Amino acid sequence: QLQLQESGPGLVKPSGTLSLTCTVSGGSISSSTYYWGWIRQPPGKGLEWIGSIYYSWSTYYNPSLKGRVTISLDTSKNQFSLQLSSVTAADTAVYYCARRGRASNPQLGGDFDYWGQGTLVTVSS
Amino acid sequence: DIQMTQSPSSLSASVGDRVTITCRASQSISSFLNWYQQKLGKAPKLLIYAASSLQSGVPSRFSGSGSGTDFTLTISSLQPEDFATYYCQQSYSTPSTFGQGTKLEIK
Repeated sequence: QLQLQESGPGLVKPSGTLSLTCTVSGGSISSSTYYWGWIRQPPGKGLEWIGSIYYSWSTYYNPSLKGRVTISLDTSKNQFSLQLSSVTAADTAVYYCARRGRASNPQLGGDFDYWGQGTLVTVSS
Repeated sequence: DIQMTQSPSSLSASVGDRVTITCRASQSISSFLNWYQQKLGKAPKLLIYAASSLQSGVPSRFSGSGSGTDFTLTISSLQPEDFATYYCQQSYSTPSTFGQGTKLEIK
């Protein structure tokens, strides 16, 4: 059974960089079948797609985050990571990692069929 | 970005009721529409993918339909464990976007 688990600091200072890691067990992130993504949810609000990465290191980001996002892979540890720079209070959210499958290509199709439990990151001084 | 609008935003219903939630896209997305269920404090769970395909392990009382811009999620007979928030998501274009959610509450 595939499992994903987010980890990282729960508190980040304004203007700092948010860094999270997703550890995948029960499957390989080196599979050519899947993409690996990050989604966030501000408290009491809806879901926002942040970005995704493919085993080939191709990345796809939400333009609304204006170049602040970097997603990377560590295949030796079966992990992928999120970095979000220049954070403000608006970046306070529960951050989820998830697997995207059944995609026709990087920009078309697919769904998030496995999710981590989520981790709350608060931006505050 | 493609805007996804769900209606209603909240809904009260009773166990055994048939419930329909609607999702409308701001432009045609073919059948690239997914539905998720989220319970309080938990991650979303995939229910329906590609507009009408039931995810493995999801009860058959859940069904999805639609194509183009208009989609529906139907629960044929509400069970106590179905009270949650439901989200639609389009995967037609980047960035993928979600609806604002429909909160299903017990009447």
